[in-house]
Amino acid sequence: GENVGLHLPTLSVQEGDNSIINCAYSNSASDYFIWYKQESGKGPQFIIDIRSNMDKRQGQRVTVLLNKTVKHLSLQIAATQPGDSAVYFCAEYSGGYQKVTFGIGTKLQVIP
Amino acid sequence: KAGVTQTPRYLIKTRGQQVTLSCSPISGHRSVSWYQQTPGQGLQFLFEYFSETQRNKGNFPGRFSGRQFSNSRSEMNVSTLELGDSALYLCASSAFTSSGNTIYFGEGSWLTVV
Repeated sequence: GENVGLHLPTLSVQEGDNSIINCAYSNSASDYFIWYKQESGKGPQFIIDIRSNMDKRQGQRVTVLLNKTVKHLSLQIAATQPGDSAVYFCAEYSGGYQKVTFGIGTKLQVIP
Repeated sequence: KAGVTQTPRYLIKTRGQQVTLSCSPISGHRSVSWYQQTPGQGLQFLFEYFSETQRNKGNFPGRFSGRQFSNSRSEMNVSTLELGDSALYLCASSAFTSSGNTIYFGEGSWLTVV
C-alpha cells in the first residue's frame, strides 16, 4: 500500500461544533475501512470501522458514512472537544493487509 | 489489558548499520503488522505476521525483514541503513471480533539514521 503524504489539510472548528472529515478512497474493490486518530508523538488510535456492505455506522460521538458510488468516506464528530485535536486518517483494505492504503490525513484543530 | 508495546522508543543509528525493533502485541492477538510513517510518504504497510508466518508484505526492499515468535511477539530488522530509513516505525496487533477486525497500534519506535 502506498499513500502520498503531501501538505496536510487542516480543519479548524469551534469547541462544541460538529466536525466532518472527508476521505476519498481509490480502490472500488476495498471492502473494509477504518478511521484512525493520531495525536502528536503517539501511534494511531482506532476510532471506528465500517464494512463495504454498510453505509453508516455510529459510535460514541462519531459516525462514519460510506458512499461507495463516489468512493467517499467521512467521519463526523459530534460536539467536538479540545481533546479531539489530532490528525485523522482513513485506511482502506481490500483482500487483507497487503492491499491497505492510508489517506494522507487531516489535521483537526479545535478552537476553545 | 496492556496495549501494544514497542521498544526501543527512540534510537539513532549510523548509515550502513542494522537495527532491530521489537513489538509485543496485546495478549491474545496473533496478528502483528508493521508500518513505516514519514512526513513525505505518510503511513505505509511493511508486512504482517500471523502465527509465526508472514502472510502479507508491502512494497519495501529486502533490507526490511521481520519475524514472529511463538508467543506472538514480533521483531523487524532493517539492514544496511540509509538516511531515508529515518521514520517512525509502528507495530499493530489485531484480532477478529464479532464486529470486525480491531487493530491497535503501539506508540512506535522513532529511528533516526545519521
